[in-house]
Amino acid sequence: EAQVTQNPRYLITVTGKKLTVTCSQNMNHEYMSWYRQDPGLGLRQIYYSMNVEVTDKGDVPEGYKVSRKEKRNFPLILESPSPNQTSLYFCASSSLAGWVQNGAKNIQYFGAGTRLSVL
Amino acid sequence: GQNIDQPTEMTATEGAIVQINCTYQTSGFNGLFWYQQHAGEAPTFLSYNVLDGLEEKGRFSSFLSRSKGYSYLLLKELQMKDSASYLCAVRDSGSNDYKLSFGAGTTVTVRA
Repeated sequence: EAQVTQNPRYLITVTGKKLTVTCSQNMNHEYMSWYRQDPGLGLRQIYYSMNVEVTDKGDVPEGYKVSRKEKRNFPLILESPSPNQTSLYFCASSSLAGWVQNGAKNIQYFGAGTRLSVL
Repeated sequence: GQNIDQPTEMTATEGAIVQINCTYQTSGFNGLFWYQQHAGEAPTFLSYNVLDGLEEKGRFSSFLSRSKGYSYLLLKELQMKDSASYLCAVRDSGSNDYKLSFGAGTTVTVRA
C-alpha cells in the first residue's frame, strides 16, 4: 500500500530536549516536505527536499532541521524545542515527474500527522 | 509569495449544495488543488485545476478562473461524512521552487 508514515503520532516533551520526528514514504517520490498546522493559520511549510541531499527552507524554518540521506526518509529534527513549536505536524511527498512542464498534477500525499506538545 | 483567502466556516443541510470560494494572489501559478481534511487527520486530495473551467468528479466539482485568481469547490448532495475542513492550495511556478501554499481552510458542517 502506497503511504507516508510518520512517527510518533503523539509526543509530549519539555523545552530544550532534542527530538526527531521520522517520515518515510514507499512511493519512490523525489519531493518531500514538512508542514505545521496551527488553528487559523492553515498548513505552513517548514522545509522541503527536491531529492537526496537537496533540502531548502520553507516559510517557517526557524528552530527546525531536516536531512535527506535516503530517498524514502525525511526526518524533522527539533534541536531545542520551545513551547511555540507545539503544533500538528505533517509530512508529505510527491513525484516530480513532468513538473517543469506546466500542468503536471504531482499530487502531494500526506502522513497521518504528529501532534507535538512542548511544555 | 502567495495570498490565499477562503471563508472560515460554512454550514449546510444534508442533501444540499455548498460552494466554497477561494481567491488567490500569486507571483506565479502552476495549478490549484483542493484537499479535504477531517478533524485530526491527514489532508487528502480532492481535485486539481490548472486550466480555466470546471472539473467534475462525482459529487465534487472544482472551477478555476486564472484571470480572476478565483476557484470554487462545489459539494453536491451533501452527506454527514462531508463535514470536514476544505483546503485550497496553489502551486507556484518558480523554476526551482516546487512550492504548494495553502489557505487556512474552510470548515464545513453538515446538519441533518
